[in-house]
Amino acid sequence: EAQVTQNPRYLITVTGKKLTVTCSQNMNHEYMSWYRQDPGLGLRQIYYSMNVEVTDKGDVPEGYKVSRKEKRNFPLILESPSPNQTSLYFCASRRLSNEQFFGPGTRLTVL
Amino acid sequence: RKEVEQDPGPFNVPEGATVAFNCTYSNSASQSFFWYRQDCRKEPKLLMSVYSSGNEDGRFTAQLNRASQYISLLIRDSKLSDSATYLCVVNEMTDKLIFGTGTRLQVFP
Repeated sequence: EAQVTQNPRYLITVTGKKLTVTCSQNMNHEYMSWYRQDPGLGLRQIYYSMNVEVTDKGDVPEGYKVSRKEKRNFPLILESPSPNQTSLYFCASRRLSNEQFFGPGTRLTVL
Repeated sequence: RKEVEQDPGPFNVPEGATVAFNCTYSNSASQSFFWYRQDCRKEPKLLMSVYSSGNEDGRFTAQLNRASQYISLLIRDSKLSDSATYLCVVNEMTDKLIFGTGTRLQVFP
């Protein structure tokens, strides 16, 4: 089944404790993105990658890192999480100019 | 001005009603347009692309007006299962997707 998977789905952590949210897609898509979704603000792009070893900042990259060592994986790293990073996070993938597929979301709470 | 603007709603309509949502975009060079559907606490999923000549998929009709820079979604014969948030999405020349904040639809019996 074609899909985007994310783990964990739910995470409660404390300020400053490094965490990684994994993302994997099995559709051989070149383009992958991370978004956060907050009430009233919609989906905002954090980082994106157009292919292996090619990453770039989106609209809200501060406090986040990503890597793209393999085509299928695009982990999101929070080196020192803060409460303002409490949000619903979505990973997504697509071929350029095509339908975007989203992962199921990761609900993160930073205390 | 926001790049993509939508009325947040909620639109509360009875089953069987026809409802329409509009969305405006600011970048006249935008290349392609979509409607996504998002159920509560779930991921967005593509509902339909929007073509220049307008297009229909069952009870759903999408229209694009490039001159006025808006797109619309019409839902006929609303079902309870249509209750969701509808996201307007614009693909700019750089192939970046810009999402609206969504319009919430609630269909009641």
